[in-house]
Amino acid sequence: DVKVTQSSRYLVKRTGEKVFLECVQDMDHENMFWYRQDPGLGLRLIYFSYDVKMKEKGDIPEGYSVSREKKERFSLILESASTNQTSMYLCASSLSLGGGTGELFFGEGSRLTVL
Amino acid sequence: DQQVKQNSPSLSVQEGRISILNCDYTNSMFDYFLWYKKYPAEGPTFLISISSIKDKNEDGRFTVFLNKSAKHLSLHIVPSQPGDSAVYFCAASFSGSRLTFGEGTQLTVNP
Repeated sequence: DVKVTQSSRYLVKRTGEKVFLECVQDMDHENMFWYRQDPGLGLRLIYFSYDVKMKEKGDIPEGYSVSREKKERFSLILESASTNQTSMYLCASSLSLGGGTGELFFGEGSRLTVL
Repeated sequence: DQQVKQNSPSLSVQEGRISILNCDYTNSMFDYFLWYKKYPAEGPTFLISISSIKDKNEDGRFTVFLNKSAKHLSLHIVPSQPGDSAVYFCAASFSGSRLTFGEGTQLTVNP
């Protein structure tokens, strides 16, 4: 079974703090994604990566950055957290971007509260 | 531009009855559609999918129907069980590209 592990389930941070959310997958997937989930807005893509050291902006990249130094690990960084970044953050991985079904495997999520 | 839309934020049904969750899309290039289920404080899990070359796919109590001409798909759950209470997300892709998700529908199955 694919396992996607997010390092922190719950975090509380203060406005202006730098926040790191870590994600590790164990199935040698090429592609990794960061989404945020907010009520009524569904899952919105922040960033994704299709290879080590490669990254692409998703639909809402502002205020975020990412890092992928190793294939299995994809980090989401909030340089200066703001209250509007309070959300559930979901990491996901997939085997391929082209030619496959696009099916994603998700981690359990990280609930971030910014005070 | 919301290419995948779930117009019903919530749905409530009685245990044992049918649940029908709907999803509309605008991009005719989409060739694969998926449903995910999400419980609170957990990540979404894959439920069922359908290719655009089919109009129906069934897996146990779950059936997905695709109407390409109407750009509409639906998920049927029969019979509904209290454990089915969750948020259901519709998603679409083309040529295995990144998934585009709908807003989600909260299903509540009452005992």
